[in-house]
Amino acid sequence: EVQLVESGGGLVKPGSSLKLSCVASGFTFSSYGMHWIRQAPKKGLEWIALIYYDSSNKYYADSVKGRFTISRDNSKNTLYLEMNSLRSEDTAMYYCAKNGQLLFDYWGQGVMVTVSS
Amino acid sequence: DIVLTQSPALAVSLGQRATISCRASQSVSISRYNLMHWYQQKPGQQPKLLIYRASNLASGIPARFSGSGSGTDFTLTINPVQADDIATYYCQQSRESPPTFGGGTKLELK
Repeated sequence: EVQLVESGGGLVKPGSSLKLSCVASGFTFSSYGMHWIRQAPKKGLEWIALIYYDSSNKYYADSVKGRFTISRDNSKNTLYLEMNSLRSEDTAMYYCAKNGQLLFDYWGQGVMVTVSS
Repeated sequence: DIVLTQSPALAVSLGQRATISCRASQSVSISRYNLMHWYQQKPGQQPKLLIYRASNLASGIPARFSGSGSGTDFTLTINPVQADDIATYYCQQSRESPPTFGGGTKLELK
């Protein structure tokens, strides 16, 4: 059974940093691209980042480019999202998701990030 | 970016058919592949893949869900609607990067 478990969220002040993790199990993590997708409270879904299976390519939404960094450690079956210069508009539930050719076939339960002074 | 437009809400009676639409700002089809996908999100839960490439049922999804469409117009049908289907439904395109989602359609009971 595919499982994705996010962690690392919390309440932070504007301008600060946070690093999210997503531990994967139930599939060969090193063979699949992985995404981060977020959902602001009571809002829709926004894709924010993709990393290829071997970290050879990374892509970002314009809204986070230059501030967020996606990475992975295939030896630990873990995906990361390092978030810098956080803004109030980054407040959201953050989901990791397994890639199925730019669709998202499995999602984690999500981790909440709140940016507020 | 490709913009996907969905109606915000749809009211339906249990046992009836629900038809949820998604319109893309440009074609999301390549050759015979229609690169539109559907997700279900229940309150407090993560989204779940229902339909991929417009008409293919994801693993474990009941046959009362179906999808159709091509080009810019796509439809998710639930027939018959059950109480467990009350959720928000999102379309998503993978024709171009960045992948984008529709605003979601909240399925409500009439």
